[in-house]
Amino acid sequence: AQKVTQAQTEISVVEKEDVTLDCVYETRDTTYYLFWYKQPPSGELVFLIRRNSFDEQNEISGRYSWNFQKSTSSFNFTITASQVVDSAVYFCALIKNSGGYQKVTFGTGTKLQVIP
Amino acid sequence: DTAVSQTPKYLVTQMGNDKSIKCEQNLGHDTMYWYKQDSKKFLKIMFSYNNKELIINETVPNRFSPKSPDKAHLNLHINSLELGDSAVYFCASSQDWQGNEQYFGPGTRLTVT
Repeated sequence: AQKVTQAQTEISVVEKEDVTLDCVYETRDTTYYLFWYKQPPSGELVFLIRRNSFDEQNEISGRYSWNFQKSTSSFNFTITASQVVDSAVYFCALIKNSGGYQKVTFGTGTKLQVIP
Repeated sequence: DTAVSQTPKYLVTQMGNDKSIKCEQNLGHDTMYWYKQDSKKFLKIMFSYNNKELIINETVPNRFSPKSPDKAHLNLHINSLELGDSAVYFCASSQDWQGNEQYFGPGTRLTVT
């Protein structure tokens, strides 16, 4: 079974606060790929980051950082010094491939509201 | 230049009708996808094609039929539309099916009355 859990349905923070969005996944495979996507109010889906299961290095991109921990099956996303433009729904996703078959699972999303 | 485009952007139709949504990508990608996003924002994959061959076919009513005339296009045809089909449908593409990131189209909002 493959599952992605984003337990936080909605989060509200005041501008400039740091916020962490949680993502916990389940898979029996050793090779898989994890993603974060952003969906702003305008509705498009924007790719943020990809990680394969063999690369546990944390990544920082500007105010965004990601913490991948296989030991806890988590791939959390932190926004530092949040801004109003960060207000969006954020999705965590898991892809695994097996032979000629692919399985894609998205989490239910976390709606982040940044209050000015 | 739009990387992944979908037409139409909005589609309003009556129950029982048949409709199609078109998707095109100009990224040279091998793999394309269709997703359905419901009113609660849940995003669920429906189909995926790699080089015109089906590689994902989730549990979707057979009223939905994808068609890939070439690897740059993946169209979605829906027969006998039902109220529950109302949703936003997203097309996406990725370089290949080896777990690369997906680039999404702008979505098609389908409303069935």
